[in-house]
Amino acid sequence: SSELTQDPAVSVALGQTVRITCQGDSLRSYYASWYQQKPGQAPVLVIYGKNNRPSGIPDRFSGSSSGNTASLTITGAQAEDEADYYCNSRDSSGNHLAVFGGGTKLTVL
Amino acid sequence: QVQLQQWGAGLLKPSETLSLTCAVYGGSFSGYYWSWIRQPPGKGLEWIGEINHSGSTNYNPSLKSRVTISVDTSKNQFSLKLSSVTAADTAVYYCARGDAGATTVGYYYYYMDVWGKGTTVTVSS
Repeated sequence: SSELTQDPAVSVALGQTVRITCQGDSLRSYYASWYQQKPGQAPVLVIYGKNNRPSGIPDRFSGSSSGNTASLTITGAQAEDEADYYCNSRDSSGNHLAVFGGGTKLTVL
Repeated sequence: QVQLQQWGAGLLKPSETLSLTCAVYGGSFSGYYWSWIRQPPGKGLEWIGEINHSGSTNYNPSLKSRVTISVDTSKNQFSLKLSSVTAADTAVYYCARGDAGATTVGYYYYYMDVWGKGTTVTVSS
C-alpha cells in the first residue's frame, strides 16, 4: 500500500488542461516531486519543490500544493505528454523514508 | 552533467542474492542521497532505500530485513544487495540521486533528479 494516493487514470483532450492529484499526510509538510515515465524508459523528474522545473521540462508543466494534496497541472497537453505520472515525497513517519504514489496513467485524446 | 551507470546480474534463481552497482559520473558524490527504486512488470515504483556519502542508510520497512545498500566513495559507486530473492522480486531496478532539505517557509522538499537507465532482474527457477 502507498501513503500517497493518486487516481489510476486521467484523460485530457489535446491542447486542454489537466490536473493530476496526489494525496497524503506527508504533503502537509513536504512538497511533492513529480515524475513522468513513458513505456520502457526510466522516470524523469518534471516538478520539484514548490513549483520548480528541471532544465528541459516545458513550462506547460506546473505544480501546486494545498493541505494534504499536491497537484501537477499540464496546461495545453500535447500528445507526447501521454505517460504515467508518479508523485513522491518523504513519508509521514519522520524516519526519512521515501514513498511513491501508485501512479496516474494520462491519456491524451 | 551527472550520469548514473548501473549494472548487475539480470537472472537469478530463488533464494539467491541480487547484487547491483551504480556508478556516478560527472558530479559530486557528497551532499546527496543515493537511492534504489524498483518497478515490477506492469506496476508502479517502489522505493527500496538510500545511502548518503557517509554511509548512513534508510530502508523501506517492507524490505529492510533483506536489503543492504553500501557505498564506495573512492569509486563514486553505491551498491544494492537483496537476499533470498523470490519471483516477487522480479522487476526493473533503478538507481537515482536524491536531494532533500528545508525551505524558508516551513516546508521540506525531497526529489530524485538523476536516474540510471534501469536493470531488468528476473527471478526464475
